[in-house]
Amino acid sequence: GDSVTQMEGPVTLSEEAFLTINCTYTATGYPSLFWYVQYPGEGLQLLLKATKADDKGSNKGFEATYRKETTSFHLEKGSVQVSDSAVYFCALSDRQGAQKLVFGQGTRLTINP
Amino acid sequence: NAGVTQTPKFRVLKTGQSMTLLCAQDMNHEYMYWYRQDPGMGLRLIHYSVGEGTTAKGEVPDGYNVSRLKKQNFLLGLESAAPSQTSVYFCASSWGREVTTGYTFGSGTRLTVV
Repeated sequence: GDSVTQMEGPVTLSEEAFLTINCTYTATGYPSLFWYVQYPGEGLQLLLKATKADDKGSNKGFEATYRKETTSFHLEKGSVQVSDSAVYFCALSDRQGAQKLVFGQGTRLTINP
Repeated sequence: NAGVTQTPKFRVLKTGQSMTLLCAQDMNHEYMYWYRQDPGMGLRLIHYSVGEGTTAKGEVPDGYNVSRLKKQNFLLGLESAAPSQTSVYFCASSWGREVTTGYTFGSGTRLTVV
């Protein structure tokens, strides 16, 4: 079945550092790809998405590019802030049937001032 | 505010007790989902519904039942709670036909079974 693998955390960075969180996927079709963010004590919020190969999703300074050839959707940000501290989930959704989301295990990010 | 509302937010159960978690959405979404979140395992799908009156099993359905009698509500039931069901439960909804919009999630229910 479909699956998503994220880099293991936790990740700790200093403010203004460059961030990369790796995400690779396995899917039989042509999924849509998502990054969700979960702040402490809250539910998941959609951060960005891409629906086809070479699409770049972006939001709040975060970016991720749908790479079909490497089956990857790595999350990047050029300069992180303390407020970016959260858990980040990579996910895919096939375009068939109930269009269920399949999540990676999550990466906890902590940004120190 | 529009969105997905889960009740209760916290609950402690004794082994063998039963309870129902309620999820309500006011966005007229067709599809609704129940996930559980456990440390290091991401979110795993328990059950889902593609419309009023329909339900289907997800990845980890054992020990849970669901009902979708009204389009806006999706109930998750535990008939006989077990410690292995200690988790954070998230409900989500989506339009379904346009998957690219992603899901809207509730804020979660933290359940502890002792």
